[in-house]
Amino acid sequence: NAGVTQTPKFQVLKTGQSMTLQCAQDMNHEYMSWYRQDPGMGLRLIHYSVGAGITDQGEVPNGYNVSRSTTEDFPLRLLSAAPSQTSVYFCASSYSLGFGTGISGNTIYFGEGSWLTVV
Amino acid sequence: GIQVEQSPPDLILQEGANSTLRCNFSDSVNNLQWFHQNPWGQLINLFYIPSGTKQNGRLSATTVATERYSLLYISSSQTTDSGVYFCAVGPTSYDKVIFGPGTSLSVIP
Repeated sequence: NAGVTQTPKFQVLKTGQSMTLQCAQDMNHEYMSWYRQDPGMGLRLIHYSVGAGITDQGEVPNGYNVSRSTTEDFPLRLLSAAPSQTSVYFCASSYSLGFGTGISGNTIYFGEGSWLTVV
Repeated sequence: GIQVEQSPPDLILQEGANSTLRCNFSDSVNNLQWFHQNPWGQLINLFYIPSGTKQNGRLSATTVATERYSLLYISSSQTTDSGVYFCAVGPTSYDKVIFGPGTSLSVIP
């Protein structure tokens, strides 16, 4: 059971380049999301998905695109990289978000992070 | 949107001491979780606790949903407890999970 797998772990981009951060989970989770973490700050939600074919914006969606064609995969695309997108990116998944059920399947699992530098 | 506050922002403890971390949120939630981010950046789920009290070894957590706060207790702290502790909440009204700014904990020998 691999859990949540993110690739690449480290990447350096030039301003204006595009790239895709890959995220895959093997736990049959419906909910997947992407966060960014800047130095000394908490995690800010970029985009999330409650199931295949459904995506929505989080707190800081500008400059990023997502798609969810399968339950397992949730790639994050940087359309035209900017230095302000230098950050650590985390992918996360959970079975659901709870809605009062209280089941342990609502636990959120994180990937190990992707360190992105835009120069 | 929902606001999440955590206190204190920074905490330094002597090994063996106890501490209480607080998370306040501004709206009703159906999902609340505590995470520990270790010095290598790894995020580990500690508790899923939208209400009530749970304990896991030296850690315990209590959420009083009606008063919109949660507490994380760390007893007999160890140096391996160092890192950042985050509270994350899922508002009842929509499907997002929002993180608080975190509490940075340093446990010194």
